[in-house]
Amino acid sequence: DIQMTQSPSTLSASVGDRVTITCRASQSVSSWLAWYQQKPGKAPKLLIYKASTLESGVPSRFSGSGSGTEFTLSISSLQPDDFATYYCQQYDTLGTFGQGTKVEMK
Amino acid sequence: QVQLVQSGAEVKKPGASVKVSCKASGYIFTTYGISWVRQAPGQGLEWMGRISTYRGNRNYAQNLQGRVTLTTDTSSSTAYMELRSLRSDDTAMYYCARGGDQSDYWGQGTLVTVSS
Repeated sequence: DIQMTQSPSTLSASVGDRVTITCRASQSVSSWLAWYQQKPGKAPKLLIYKASTLESGVPSRFSGSGSGTEFTLSISSLQPDDFATYYCQQYDTLGTFGQGTKVEMK
Repeated sequence: QVQLVQSGAEVKKPGASVKVSCKASGYIFTTYGISWVRQAPGQGLEWMGRISTYRGNRNYAQNLQGRVTLTTDTSSSTAYMELRSLRSDDTAMYYCARGGDQSDYWGQGTLVTVSS
């Protein structure tokens, strides 16, 4: 099984900050990686797929990069609506989620 | 508009089975696979498996192999997830999602509680 490890587990930030979350795979997943945002009591929302392709309707302050085993999700200027938990998911071999990164208010 | 509507909450005893439905609308059902993801209370997302709605091919998470079965009824655009031999640690919110790779639309979730 491919393991996905996100860091940090929790991130404290302020509105306007640039935020970066890292996701590492235990083996190469090429570019078959997605990022989701989840708010309490809600289903996840797709932000980025194929490592760097922005899902339709997602604000351009979100961006993704990486390939192989190391990936990042960046938010260029954190907005109030962005406080949430973020998950990466590889879909190169079956599917595996990272453990999540909670972005909280500093 | 694309919608995935799941069946209602379930309470089951240990050892029982549960079958959750996911009715799709707003798109051609056989053009996207369906994935199933669960989330235990206060925990992260766990990928359970996926099914091709066109060919019927299935893949399951290794830790659930043998206890989970994914099926579809293309005549009603509905996907099903059955989980057997339920244990207390199967208590979770179960989601269906459109797409066998990345998932762009999600159901509202079905809470399955396993308790004696």
